[in-house]
Amino acid sequence: AQSVAQPEDQVNVAEGNPLTVKCTYSVSGNPYLFWYVQYPNRGLQFLLKYITGDNLVKGSYGFEAEFNKSQTSFHLKKPSALVSDSALYFCAVRDGAGGYNKLIFGAGTRLAVHP
Amino acid sequence: DAGVTQSPTHLIKTRGQQVTLRCSPKSGHDTVSWYQQALGQGPQFIFQYYEEEERQRGNFPDRFSGHQFPNYSSELNVNALLLGDSALYLCASSLGGTGLEAFFGQGTRLTVV
Repeated sequence: AQSVAQPEDQVNVAEGNPLTVKCTYSVSGNPYLFWYVQYPNRGLQFLLKYITGDNLVKGSYGFEAEFNKSQTSFHLKKPSALVSDSALYFCAVRDGAGGYNKLIFGAGTRLAVHP
Repeated sequence: DAGVTQSPTHLIKTRGQQVTLRCSPKSGHDTVSWYQQALGQGPQFIFQYYEEEERQRGNFPDRFSGHQFPNYSSELNVNALLLGDSALYLCASSLGGTGLEAFFGQGTRLTVV
C-alpha cells in the first residue's frame, strides 16, 4: 500500500532562515508526490507536485521540493522563511489502485516561523 | 473562476442524527472526492464520485454515503452520527478522475455532541 511519513510534528525556524519539512514515501511503482499547505480554518492549498522529470520541483510561494529516489524522500524547502509561511504542511502520494486516483496524506507538520 | 465551494462551513449535530454536506466543484471539473480530517491528523479518503457513480471508497462504514448530481456537484451524507465523526470534511475536485491536481474547498467543520 502507498504511504507517506512526516517524521516531525513541528518545525521551528527563524524568519529569513532556510526551512525544510521532511517527507518519506513508500510506493509500488513510480511515485506521484504532492505538498499541500493548510492555514487555520481553511482547506488545503496545492503547493507543488512531482510526477516525473527534474528532481527539484518548484512550486507556489517560493517553495520547492527535492525528490530523492534512493532515500525515498520528498522534502519541502524554502531558501528564506517568512512569518506568513507558518501553517500546517501535508505531504501526499497518489494511490492509483484499481485505475482510480486518490491521495494518501501524511499526518502533517506544523511549521512555525518566528520573527 | 469559482473554486471549490462547500456548505455549510460549520454545523453542530447531536449523536444519532443525520447530516448532509454539500460541495460544488471547481468550474470545469467533473470528479469529486471527499476526505475526513480529524483533529491533529491528515485527511483520509472517504470516497470519489465521477459520472454520478461512486468509483472507489476508503475504509469508512456504510453510514457514510454520497451522491453526485448531473451538474457535478456532490453531497456527503452521514447517518447515525457518532462523537467520533466530529472532523473537518473536505471536498476536492479534479478533472477526469485523474486526481493529480485536486483542488480543495475550505471544508465543513462538523461537531457531534
